Order: sequence, then structure tokens, then C-alpha cells
Amino acid sequence: NAGVTQTPKFRVLKTGQSMTLLCAQDMNHEYMYWYRQDPGMGLRLIHYSVGEGTTAKGEVPDGYNVSRLKKQNFLLGLESAAPSQTSVYFCASSGPQLREQYFGPGTRLTVT
Amino acid sequence: EDQVTQSPEALRLQEGESSSLNCSYTVSGLRGLFWYRQDPGKGPEFLFTLYSAGEEKEKERLKATLTKKESFLHITAPKPEDSATYLCAVRGGSYIPTFGRGTSLIVHP
Repeated sequence: NAGVTQTPKFRVLKTGQSMTLLCAQDMNHEYMYWYRQDPGMGLRLIHYSVGEGTTAKGEVPDGYNVSRLKKQNFLLGLESAAPSQTSVYFCASSGPQLREQYFGPGTRLTVT
Repeated sequence: EDQVTQSPEALRLQEGESSSLNCSYTVSGLRGLFWYRQDPGKGPEFLFTLYSAGEEKEKERLKATLTKKESFLHITAPKPEDSATYLCAVRGGSYIPTFGRGTSLIVHP
């Protein structure tokens, strides 16, 4: 039981490049979330999903897109990376009772 | 809009020196207050959920309590391995928890 996994762990992009971050969970959770964490800012929600095929915007969605084609996977895309998107990205999932969240290990992204 | 404020931002303790972390919140219809621990370079790890005022939960040297306006995370006789950032979050009527900015705890041997 791996819990929540994220790929890749580290990535360096140049401004304007695109990439996709993959989150996978093996707990059969309905809810999945993408956060970014910056020093002094705490965790900020980018997008979330309440089930397969559904997504919604969070607090800071601009510049990001997401897809939830399979229940166990939640993808975060950056179409044209900007230096302001340098951050640590965390994926999380939670079960149908909306109890605690389980977080992945994070992806450290640097945009130069 | 749900709001969570954690204090202090940073706390330095000597090993064995007990203290408390505060999480003040405003939420419409509390459906859960969560405490997480985050070690450097890792994702947050779930500690406790509290659902109603007066509820308490314990785990080793940690004890979480809840009132209608705030929660405390009490750390009794801390050890250096308790050093971490502690995050508080609340969930109200939506699917989305609101997180505080965390308290960074350092316990010196």
C-alpha cells in the first residue's frame, strides 16, 4: 500500500516550457487535491476533484490545468511555465467521509 | 470565508520544556479540525481530527484540544524528534479544508 505517490520528485523548467505532474493514490479515495507550498504562504489549493471525471478550481488556479480521467490518478499541467510557479507541489487525497487528507511526498519545481 | 490563524509562527523549546501551539479559526459549521505534522522536504502527515468543542485526542507526547474558537496542540516533555512544522486545518460546509500557515517547532537537546 503505497498511499499517495507523486512523479517527478524534482524538475527544472525554463520559462515557457510545459510539463505534467502525476499523482496516484491506491486507497480508492474519491477526493483528490493539488496544493502549492511557498515559504510564509502555507498550503494553497490549486485545483481539486470530487470524483473521476470532475475537477474544480481552488484558490490559485491560474496557469494550471488538471485532469482526473481515472479515479486513482490526478494530473496537474503547466502549459507555459513562469518563474512565479517555482514552488513545492503537493498532491493529497481523502475518502468519502471527508476525513483527513493523505499527502504525497511533493514535487519541487524550479522555473528559470 | 473560513479562516485559520496559527501562533506562534516559530517556537524554540529545550528538550523536556512543555508548551502549546494555538490554532484560532472561524468557520461556518465546523465539520472537522485537523492537525498535521510536516518534516522538512516531506508532505504533511495526519495527526488528529477533532469534531466538537470539548473533544481531546492524544498521541504519545501530543494532545489536541478543541473549543468553539480555537484548538491547542499541547506538547509534553518534547524531544528533538518532535521538531517539525505543525499545520492546522478546518473543514466547514464545503469539501475544501482551509489550512493555517503553520508553527515551526524546534526542540533543542
